[in-house]
Amino acid sequence: EIVLTQSPGTLSLSPGERATLSCRASQSVSSSYLAWYQQKPGQAPRLLIYGASSRATGIPDRFSGSGSGTDFTLTISRLEPEDFAVYYCQQYGSSPLTFGPGTKVDIK
Amino acid sequence: QVQLVESGGGVVQPGRSLRLSCAASGFTFSSYGMHWVRQAPGKGLEWVAVISYDGSNKYYADSVKGRFTISRDNSKNTLYLQMNSLRAEDTAVYYCAKVRGMVTNDAFDIWGQGTMVTVSS
Repeated sequence: EIVLTQSPGTLSLSPGERATLSCRASQSVSSSYLAWYQQKPGQAPRLLIYGASSRATGIPDRFSGSGSGTDFTLTISRLEPEDFAVYYCQQYGSSPLTFGPGTKVDIK
Repeated sequence: QVQLVESGGGVVQPGRSLRLSCAASGFTFSSYGMHWVRQAPGKGLEWVAVISYDGSNKYYADSVKGRFTISRDNSKNTLYLQMNSLRAEDTAVYYCAKVRGMVTNDAFDIWGQGTMVTVSS
């Protein structure tokens, strides 16, 4: 099983700042089958990024993903008020599918 | 629009059973693999099970293997999760999710709103 570790656990930033979230895998994620999701309280997760770097439909271009192998990054170039949420990475390249523990981005 | 709506959650005693349903609309349900994901209160996301587009392949997390069964009825555009021998640690919001592409394991582009399952005496 591929274990995903996300850092930091919490990121305290102000609107307009840049957010950099890390996701590290215990072994290489095949074909960069790595996704990022955003979840707000009381809501279902929303797909942001798939294939490590492809934005999902309707996702603003301030969200970008990068990385390969075992190290992946989600960057939010300029935080908007609606971006404060919990972000999860997920690998879907090998079974069982696994999620990271999440990074909470909150308002400083 | 593309939508998934779960139902069937509730409060159940340990050792009892419950069946969740997920009604799909707005897309060709029979063309996509489907997954169940759960989230315990205040915790992260845990993948539970997957079923291929035609129901021929099914896989489970070790934590539910032998107790949960995923199935689908493509004529009714509905996904199911039969949960037997429920335990307190199965308490969670259960989400159904559609895969983005035409492979069973892919990112999840559509999620339901979730249904809460509470296992308690």
